[in-house]
Amino acid sequence: DIQMTQSPSTLSASVGDRVTITCRASQSIGSWLAWYQQKPGNAPNLLIYKASRLESGVPSRFSGLGSGTDFALTISSLQPDDFATYYCQQYYSDSAFGQGTKVEIK
Amino acid sequence: EVQLVESGGGLIQPGGSLRLSCAASGFSVSANYMTWVRQAPGKGLEWVSSIYTGGHTYYTDSVKGRFTISRDNSKDTLFLQMTSLRVEDTAVYYCARGGDGVGTSPLDYWGQGTLVTVSS
Repeated sequence: DIQMTQSPSTLSASVGDRVTITCRASQSIGSWLAWYQQKPGNAPNLLIYKASRLESGVPSRFSGLGSGTDFALTISSLQPDDFATYYCQQYYSDSAFGQGTKVEIK
Repeated sequence: EVQLVESGGGLIQPGGSLRLSCAASGFSVSANYMTWVRQAPGKGLEWVSSIYTGGHTYYTDSVKGRFTISRDNSKDTLFLQMTSLRVEDTAVYYCARGGDGVGTSPLDYWGQGTLVTVSS
């Protein structure tokens, strides 16, 4: 089974900051990686798919890059609505999620 | 408009069975890759099971032999039959829609979730 490891587990940041979350797969998954945002009490929301493609309606301050085993999600200028937990997901072989990164207010 | 509405959760004793349903509207469950994802209280997301457009089914190791994913194409409803439930199966269970291709895909629509609590 493919394991997904995110870092950091928690990230403290301020509005306007540039933040980056990383995700590493235990084996190569090509570009078959997605990123989701989840707020408390809500279902996850798809942000990025195929490592770098922005889902329709998602603000352009979100971007993704990477391939193979190493990936990153960047928020170019953190907005108040972005404080949430973010998950990566591989869909190369079945599926697996990272453990999540909580972005909290500094 | 695409919508997914889960039902069937509740309190169940260890060893019991429960069937979750996910009613879809705005698309056909038979034409899309469909998935169940769960989230234990205060924990992260865990992929549970998927059914492909061709009907193949896959499960995470911890539920193999105990859970069965299926769909009723005529009612556009996805199911998760859960047996031999364990305390560690306690979670909010989400159904989610993937793409309409033959393989896996990211999950672009999610239901609101249904809570399953396994406790004596």
